[in-house]
Amino acid sequence: GQNIDQPTEMTATEGAIVQINCTYQTSGFNGLFWYQQHAGEAPTFLSYNVLDGLEEKGRFSSFLSRSKGYSYLLLKELQMKDSASYLCAVMDSNYQLIWGAGTKLIIKP
Amino acid sequence: NAGVTQTPKFRILKIGQSMTLQCTQDMNHNYMYWYRQDPGMGLKLIYYSVGAGITDKGEVPNGYNVSRSTTEDFPLRLELAAPSQTSVYFCASSYELAGANVLTFGAGSRLTVL
Repeated sequence: GQNIDQPTEMTATEGAIVQINCTYQTSGFNGLFWYQQHAGEAPTFLSYNVLDGLEEKGRFSSFLSRSKGYSYLLLKELQMKDSASYLCAVMDSNYQLIWGAGTKLIIKP
Repeated sequence: NAGVTQTPKFRILKIGQSMTLQCTQDMNHNYMYWYRQDPGMGLKLIYYSVGAGITDKGEVPNGYNVSRSTTEDFPLRLELAAPSQTSVYFCASSYELAGANVLTFGAGSRLTVL
């Protein structure tokens, strides 16, 4: 079967750096997405990786290793507004999105 | 642009009732989707559409129906509501970015079936 694994919950301190990992086992691979979802709101797009390596976008970076079935989202200079769930999703060989359950990130002052 | 608009935001249904969740987008996107989100689980695709007049089943279509008569509208119909359909429903449309279909979601509709 197809599977996306992420930690259920993480805690970090304001101003610090946090890395949220995502491992996947899917039938084929056509890209990996990260979305942010604040409580009670809709997910919003953060990043997309289809080739190995690091993609940087301001305070957020996303890394992909296709050979290891692994990605991480790196958040720097954490702010209270970064408290949210972070969803990892992989597009399989049929171009269907397989979603992880999400990682709830709690930021403490 | 309003983006993707869903109604209603909240609804309580009795077992066996029917209802329609409305979804409209003003971005002229061809692709539209309906997902459900349950606690502790990833988003599950119910139905999707690649354009007006074309719909297809996703991972969990049972108990639901859709139609796509226009590019803008993609309503989701629940027939004979069951407690297992208690969930948060998200409608989305997608645009292409660097070869990827990026989803834009509506605000969600929280449905409780009692």
